[in-house]
Amino acid sequence: EVQVVESGGGLVKPGESLRLSCVTSGFTFRTYSMNWVRQAPGKGLEWLSSINSRSSFIYYADSVKGRFTISRDNAKNSLYLQINSLRAEDTAVYYCAREGEYWEAPHFDFRGQGTLVTVSS
Amino acid sequence: DIQMTQSPSYVSASIGDRVIITCRASQDISTWLAWYQQKPGKAPKLLIYAASTLQSGMPSRFSGSGSGTDFTLTISSLQSEDFATYYCQQAKTFPLTFGQGTRLEIK
Repeated sequence: EVQVVESGGGLVKPGESLRLSCVTSGFTFRTYSMNWVRQAPGKGLEWLSSINSRSSFIYYADSVKGRFTISRDNAKNSLYLQINSLRAEDTAVYYCAREGEYWEAPHFDFRGQGTLVTVSS
Repeated sequence: DIQMTQSPSYVSASIGDRVIITCRASQDISTWLAWYQQKPGKAPKLLIYAASTLQSGMPSRFSGSGSGTDFTLTISSLQSEDFATYYCQQAKTFPLTFGQGTRLEIK
């Protein structure tokens, strides 16, 4: 069974940093592109970043470029998101999402419950 | 960036109704489109990919169609478990973008 567990969220002050982790199991992690998507309270979905299986292609949304860094450790079946200079508008649930199995296109198979990041002084 | 616009933003319908949600892309995305279903407090679920292919395990009352700039998600006969918010997402190019969502509620 595919399992994805996000962690690392919490209450932080503006300007602080946070590292989100996503530990996976039940599939061959090293062969999948992975993504981070967030959802602010009461709002829609926002794609943040994608990384391919070998970390050779990385993409960011303009809204987070320069502050967010995606990375992965295939030996640990894990995905990470380093978030620097946090702002109030970064308050959201952050989802780690695998690319789907059957379509070679950047899309999302969400299997975790997300981790909540709250930025407030 | 490719803008995705869904309509309506909100729809109220009854059990058994047929519901159609539309998604329009600001430029041609061929069939590079996915649909997601999200229930309150839960992660989204992949519903349809490549504009019309139903994700494994999702009910056959859901169907998708369209290509180019105009797409539809159809629920043939609403069930109670279908009341949720639906999002489209273009997969043609980065940055990946979602529609604003369509909230489907019980009439």
